[in-house]
Amino acid sequence: GQQVMQIPQYQHVQEGEDFTTYCNSSTTLSNIQWYKQRPGGHPVFLIQLVKSGEVKKQKRLTFQFGEAKKNSSLHITATQTTDVGTYFCAVLPSSNTGKLIFGQGTTLQVKP
Amino acid sequence: DGGITQSPKYLFRKEGQNVTLSCEQNLNHDAMYWYRQDPGQGLRLIYYSQIVNDFQKGDIAEGYSVSREKKESFPLTVTSAQKNPTAFYLCASSMAGQTSYTFGSGTRLTVV
Repeated sequence: GQQVMQIPQYQHVQEGEDFTTYCNSSTTLSNIQWYKQRPGGHPVFLIQLVKSGEVKKQKRLTFQFGEAKKNSSLHITATQTTDVGTYFCAVLPSSNTGKLIFGQGTTLQVKP
Repeated sequence: DGGITQSPKYLFRKEGQNVTLSCEQNLNHDAMYWYRQDPGQGLRLIYYSQIVNDFQKGDIAEGYSVSREKKESFPLTVTSAQKNPTAFYLCASSMAGQTSYTFGSGTRLTVV
């Protein structure tokens, strides 16, 4: 079945440093979504990317969809302690049953 | 405000007892999902339902059961057959034609 690999699994940064998480698939994706889960909380939808090469920004967060639509990245500029949490990418399988397949997540720790 | 309500937030049960986790949504979403999350891990799909009175097994359905008698409700029963039930359980919903999920706040189940 379809799988997505997300790296790194963990990342510790000093406040103010940048952070990037990557999501990779062996097959072409129709779209990709990103979610954030705060410690002790639940995942919250951040954004969906659909077009090849698409780049979207939300304040200090930049989301990118690869040209071949097989990979995506989430970059945070100048991290803050409020960025702490686990970031998941999620994709629809080619069978398009409506059920998302989630990556393993990248847990970000920010030292103040 | 519309949303998904999971109850209770914390649940303790003795080994060998069945327990039912509640999930109710007033978003008028067609599809509902149950995920299990273990510490430091991603989301694993237990069951999902795209319409009332119909549901499908996910990747880890053994030891769990669900019902979908109403559009708004999708309760999950953790049976005594589930060998390692202690986990964080997340319910989600989505509208037909939209792939992004709205998650409930989760139920943390501890079996002693």
